[in-house]
Parts: sequence; structure tokens; C-alpha cells
Amino acid sequence: GAGVSQSPSNKVTEKGKDVELRCDPISGHTALYWYRQSLGQGLEFLIYFQGNSAPDKSGLPSDRFSAERTGGSVSTLTIQRTQQEDSAVYLCASSRQVTGGNYEQYFGPGTRLTVT
Amino acid sequence: AQTVTQSQPEMSVQEAETVTLSCTYDTSESDYYLFWYKQPPSRQMILVIRQEAYKQQNATENRFSVNFQKAAKSFSLKISDSQLGDAAMYFCAYRSLLRSEKLVFGKGTKLTVNP
Repeated sequence: GAGVSQSPSNKVTEKGKDVELRCDPISGHTALYWYRQSLGQGLEFLIYFQGNSAPDKSGLPSDRFSAERTGGSVSTLTIQRTQQEDSAVYLCASSRQVTGGNYEQYFGPGTRLTVT
Repeated sequence: AQTVTQSQPEMSVQEAETVTLSCTYDTSESDYYLFWYKQPPSRQMILVIRQEAYKQQNATENRFSVNFQKAAKSFSLKISDSQLGDAAMYFCAYRSLLRSEKLVFGKGTKLTVNP
């Protein structure tokens, strides 16, 4: 079946603008994760959803970052008033189930965000 | 908080030979999962192999195997009969069994395979 998809693939924006990044998980996957991959920091966890709720938002770096998930499916990561340090690849992953089970996280191809 | 360390930023191997990538981690938990992910230039993260901490037997997947040393908190990846398609970034990752669902990643090792 189809894998995790993300859009756009690449996004260039001006400093101060808002951006929305979209993630479509694998159908039937209840858990969804956002990670950020940057040169200086490696891969960092941002937030995860179980259904439409977000039990762990501990990785969101500032209140400029927010995310939502609707219908237990598509998720949107929003960055307000973008800064140059927000430039990174944003990766989304989904898995069948959480709560202690060893369920594989399947990753999307990521969105490369460049803030000029 | 858990941390994962990959001490080799870059490694290279000749085609058909064997290479071992190192990973150490720090945790106070006794139950957890460990993973190796591969990321080729396409950016798509692909799971290579996983290990449950409660299992003493080292995981193997075809040409990929791990050396899991729980007491030493070490989790190395061995790639046998290296192929050109193995060239990629390799990330070691940790996940708590109970406390959190997030993956904690090391900074990665770039593997080059020479023909």
C-alpha cells in the first residue's frame, strides 16, 4: 500500500512568514510523529499524536510551532513567523499502534524548509 | 533523559567486505528498544534492524546483524558483504518501552562503499 506522504517536498520562505507542512500517514496508523533533521542538531523529536490528541509535545522548540491532526489521519505542522534557524528537513512518521508495543515507525520523505 | 552516541561520523568499506558501525546509549531504564535506520540521499528513513532489550539473542536481518551488549549499553551494526546500495547515513535510535513513544537518535554515521 501507499507509504507516508509529505507535502510540499521543498519549501522556501522568507523570514517572518508562516508555513504549513502536511503529512498523510499510512491508512490505519493511529500514531503519528514529527521529527526535525538539521545539520547542527541531528534528528530531533517534535511531537506525537495518538489519534487526534497529542500526549507528547515536549519537542516543540517554541510557541511558534504547533501541530494538529484531524480525523485521525492527516496532520499539519505550522511554523509561525519563521526564523532562519527553522531551516531543516521535517520528517513525519506513522505507526500502527503505540503504548509500549514494538511497532515500526514508517517515515515519509520529508519536507525541506529553507528560510531566507 | 536518554542519549544515543555514534562516535564515527564517517566510515568507508570496500564492496563485498564487512563493516561495523558503533553506537552507545545512556539510559536508566531496563526495558527498551533499539533500532538502526538507514537514510539514503532520497531522505527516506528505512528501518534496517531492531532489538528488544529483554532479548539476549542478537537480531539479524540477512546481511545485517547487531552486537547488543546490554551491560555496556552498546549496540553496534555489522554489515556483511557490503554492496554499493548500502551507502547511506545510518542512525542508531532508542525508544523507551513505557515512558515515551518517541525515537531518540544518534547523530548518524555516513557510510561510503567503494567499488
